[in-house]
Amino acid sequence: DAKTTQPTSMDCAEGRAANLPCNHSTISGNEYVYWYRQIHSQGPQYIIHGLKNNETNEMASLIITEDRKSSTLILPHATLRDTAVYYCIVGRRYGNKLVFGAGTILRVKS
Amino acid sequence: NAGVTQTPKFQVLKTGQSMTLQCAQDMNHEYMSWYRQDPGMGLRLIHYSVGAGITDQGEVPNGYNVSRSTTEDFPLRLLSAAPSQTSVYFCASSYLALTGGRNNSPLHFGNGTRLTVT
Repeated sequence: DAKTTQPTSMDCAEGRAANLPCNHSTISGNEYVYWYRQIHSQGPQYIIHGLKNNETNEMASLIITEDRKSSTLILPHATLRDTAVYYCIVGRRYGNKLVFGAGTILRVKS
Repeated sequence: NAGVTQTPKFQVLKTGQSMTLQCAQDMNHEYMSWYRQDPGMGLRLIHYSVGAGITDQGEVPNGYNVSRSTTEDFPLRLLSAAPSQTSVYFCASSYLALTGGRNNSPLHFGNGTRLTVT
């Protein structure tokens, strides 16, 4: 499976959009981009995933570049409760055997 | 709906002791897996199973055994605990195939077991 590169940490003001980047330059054609987050040592929580089209759900939006080598997770109106570690993962369809890296620590500040 | 339930939440073991970490899910998921998470690091896959009677190794399987006798349960056994196994252990499950109109099958995680080996 392709590896991903994410910034170690980011800050965001409460109420503003949080844009979390992820590079996955070795992604293959049948691999999806998955985003999970982990709040305060709880179990990770699924956020969103996509193949090549942009995706949106009630939690976030996922923007994937046309060449699929990078993506951005967007939390449109960050709240303090969005402070967490965010993991960008590349994996096959069904997203079962996923490899988690160190992720990005997002700190939302008031 | 309980989801993925892990027990115990906390455990302290002495070096050489054995124990079993329990994981149960009530979502009829075919796929189940165990991860460990060390401070400041991501999750590393220990073992996984794609159905009852089928298990396979992940990235860091040494020192751990698993079995899958039912769809619901996937226990993780430490036969002889070592300080290097001090970690937080997470169990996760998901559907294996996109059936029943599902368009994704995200992993559902338990809340973890915090294990200390002295």
